[in-house]
Amino acid sequence: GQQLNQSPQSMFIQEGEDVSMNCTSSSIFNTWLWYKQDPGEGPVLLIALYKAGELTSNGRLTAQFGITRKDSFLNISASIPSDVGIYFCAGQPANAGGTSYGKLTFGQGTILTVHP
Amino acid sequence: KAGVTQTPRYLIKTRGQQVTLSCSPISGHRSVSWYQQTPGQGLQFLFEYFSETQRNKGNFPGRFSGRQFSNSRSEMNVSTLELGDSALYLCASSLSRRGHSPLHFGNGTRLTVT
Repeated sequence: GQQLNQSPQSMFIQEGEDVSMNCTSSSIFNTWLWYKQDPGEGPVLLIALYKAGELTSNGRLTAQFGITRKDSFLNISASIPSDVGIYFCAGQPANAGGTSYGKLTFGQGTILTVHP
Repeated sequence: KAGVTQTPRYLIKTRGQQVTLSCSPISGHRSVSWYQQTPGQGLQFLFEYFSETQRNKGNFPGRFSGRQFSNSRSEMNVSTLELGDSALYLCASSLSRRGHSPLHFGNGTRLTVT
């Protein structure tokens, strides 16, 4: 089935540093989403991307939908301690059809640790 | 606007029992999807419901089932529980219109099977 390769698996950074993570796939995706999950909670939507080449920002977060439609990246600028958590990319495969909006493929997550 | 609400938050069951989990979507959202999250397999799609109809199903055994009610609330059921069913079960809702309709997740039900 579809698989997303998310990297890095984990990151240990100092407060104030910038962070970059990405997801790649061997298949084309129609939608790329980035979520953050804190312990004991569900994933929270950070950014949604719907068009190849699209670059979208949400505060200190910036994400891009790759031109090939097979990848996406997420950047976090000037990290702060509350950025700690697990970040997931998720995508809707192009062959999922027009009625599978709820079926997403998820990456394995990037664990972010921020040292004050 | 209230988010996706899942109940209960925690459940402990023994092997062989069955369990029912409940999900109330965001008001106005008509699509509800269920995911299983485990450390080993990550987030895996279980099924999706829209207008009380199952629209899509993941690769899980028939012991996993669900339904959606006319008010869009959804339940999922797992019968004959196995130790490997221990996981965080997440419900997500969306407007499910063509175009921009991302999933919004609840905080999940943590199921432990002993």
